[in-house]
Amino acid sequence: KAGVTQTPRYLIKTRGQQVTLSCSPISGHRSVSWYQQTPGQGLQFLFEYFSETQRNKGNFPGRFSGRQFSNSRSEMNVSTLELGDSALYLCASSQTASTEAFFGQGTRLTVV
Amino acid sequence: QQQVKQSPQSLIVQKGGISIINCAYENTAFDYFPWYQQFPGKGPALLIAIRPDVSEKKEGRFTISFNKSAKQFSLHIMDSQPGDSATYFCAASRDNYGQNFVFGPGTRLSVLP
Repeated sequence: KAGVTQTPRYLIKTRGQQVTLSCSPISGHRSVSWYQQTPGQGLQFLFEYFSETQRNKGNFPGRFSGRQFSNSRSEMNVSTLELGDSALYLCASSQTASTEAFFGQGTRLTVV
Repeated sequence: QQQVKQSPQSLIVQKGGISIINCAYENTAFDYFPWYQQFPGKGPALLIAIRPDVSEKKEGRFTISFNKSAKQFSLHIMDSQPGDSATYFCAASRDNYGQNFVFGPGTRLSVLP
């Protein structure tokens, strides 16, 4: 059974640009959540999607957005990139809200 | 009230020793408490999880102890091995409110051979 797949693994972007990250959940999983991991702030919840609907949202500015497709694949978008957006972005999937969450390897975003 | 505190920040243990990591939470609505292990360059991997209706859960060398009244829980790694050297995160969530975990800041464990 394939795990959670995130693409790309690494990205370098310039301030002011926008970026789209992709996450393919484990087959059969309908919940996808996104986290930002930085050395200073640790792991912080961005948002969660379940059956194409955003169910929860963390305390991030509106520049951070996401969506989920009918096949449960999810994308997150960050617009007007700032240096502070440099982080490891992690995606996790689970069957439902109350089952185990499995993380992908993440996308390392560097904003220069 | 959403915060999860974790200690120690780093831990050095000899091979064969016991590693203990502690976490505390404030929000009594939390009812699912997983522990994740993360190696450099990898995403967090679920180790073990507990719900408040039990005080202890054991899986192999890993044990979670849970104290509901004190709002604390801890991870014990028995017979620690060099391969256990990683960063460990505790987390908490409200089980039926989706996968929006609140994570502790992490503990970097080093097991010396």
